[in-house]
Amino acid sequence: QKEVEQNSGPLSVPEGAIASLNCTYSDRGSQSFFWYRQYSGKSPELIMFIYSNGDKEDGRFTAQLNKASQYVSLLIRDSQPSDSATYLCAVSPSGTYKYIFGTGTRLKVLA
Amino acid sequence: DVKVTQSSRYLVKRTGEKVFLECVQDMDHENMFWYRQDPGLGLRLIYFSYDVKMKEKGDIPEGYSVSREKKERFSLILESASTNQTSMYLCASSFDQGPYGYTFGSGTRLTVV
Repeated sequence: QKEVEQNSGPLSVPEGAIASLNCTYSDRGSQSFFWYRQYSGKSPELIMFIYSNGDKEDGRFTAQLNKASQYVSLLIRDSQPSDSATYLCAVSPSGTYKYIFGTGTRLKVLA
Repeated sequence: DVKVTQSSRYLVKRTGEKVFLECVQDMDHENMFWYRQDPGLGLRLIYFSYDVKMKEKGDIPEGYSVSREKKERFSLILESASTNQTSMYLCASSFDQGPYGYTFGSGTRLTVV
């Protein structure tokens, strides 16, 4: 069974701090990795994807991928109360376009 | 922007009714998916389709069927609604190639009474 694991949280950080969200996956052949943000009562929204080892930055967001250790992380710099949401990690296993989703980490940014 | 439109935001149906959930996407995506999302269980794949008239079962297909007669439309059918099918239903679509991710519709919150 291919798995994607996330700490459910809540992860609480003060406004302006860096929030660090982590995700591990079991399929070593996984190709692509995605971070979705989901506000309460809303649908998931894609915020980042990464497929090469290393860091990828987009504004206040940085995705980090380490295929050898099978983890992907999302850093949110200068966290804002509007970043409070559940963050879902999704992984595309090798040879398929069916993503495996983690159950999400709930982030709370305290004003 | 890619738009994935789900026909209803909220639905209330009675036990035993046949329920149709509709999803339409406007970006010529090959792949379409139906998920349900429940607290603590995350997103669970019900069915997906990689082409017109093609479908494959996901992880929890029991009690559901799907139809994809046109590329842009993917329908989820609850043959005989039961209370344990009360959930948030999410439709998503994606290209067949490339790491572009899924685009989700706004979701349908279905309550079966």
